[in-house]
Amino acid sequence: GAVVSQHPSWVICKSGTSVKIECRSLDFQATTMFWYRQFPKQSLMLMATSNEGSKATYEQGVEKDKFLINHASLTLSTLTVTSAHPEDSSFYICSARSPDRASGYTFGSGTRLTVV
Amino acid sequence: GENVEQHPSTLSVQEGDSAVIKCTYSDSASNYFPWYKQELGKRPQLIIDIRSNVGEKKDQRIAVTLNKTAKHFSLHITETQPEDSAVYFCAAYYETGANNLFFGTGTRLTVIP
Repeated sequence: GAVVSQHPSWVICKSGTSVKIECRSLDFQATTMFWYRQFPKQSLMLMATSNEGSKATYEQGVEKDKFLINHASLTLSTLTVTSAHPEDSSFYICSARSPDRASGYTFGSGTRLTVV
Repeated sequence: GENVEQHPSTLSVQEGDSAVIKCTYSDSASNYFPWYKQELGKRPQLIIDIRSNVGEKKDQRIAVTLNKTAKHFSLHITETQPEDSAVYFCAAYYETGANNLFFGTGTRLTVIP
């Protein structure tokens, strides 16, 4: 089945630094990937839609200059949290539409970011 | 855009009993409704889904029903087991715009042995 790999699975960084999270579709091409943020005990909130070869589409309230998304190939999308602050600490997770439409969406394993 | 509401937010049942989680959606154009199970710190896992041309779907102890007229769908888990304890999310999707999933707020299910 369709597999999405995400790494790192967890990262601790200092305030003011940047962190890059990678999301790869391992056995299929994903022209579109989605980035979600999940705070403890809350639902998945869509941050942005990553489109291969074009600019990402950001949801209302998400700072595009802070959360940089790059989708340079059909198998890789990256999310860079720039100038991270403690309030950016969260669980970030990507997903892609499975090529087999009957299988729905496939999620990466998530990245727990802690900014200290 | 689509708005998905889910309830209850928490649900505790005795092992062997049934659990029901309900969701409503706002956009009548939505035509795909998956349910995900998420354990702490892990990725959501698709457990069952239903499309708008079907009213009910069952997979062993799990079933989903869809009422298009009322715009609500429900997850039914029978003969619950402790390993069913997790957070469950419903979602809705429609083929327009960015084609992204809209998630409900989640239900924390606890099955008491």
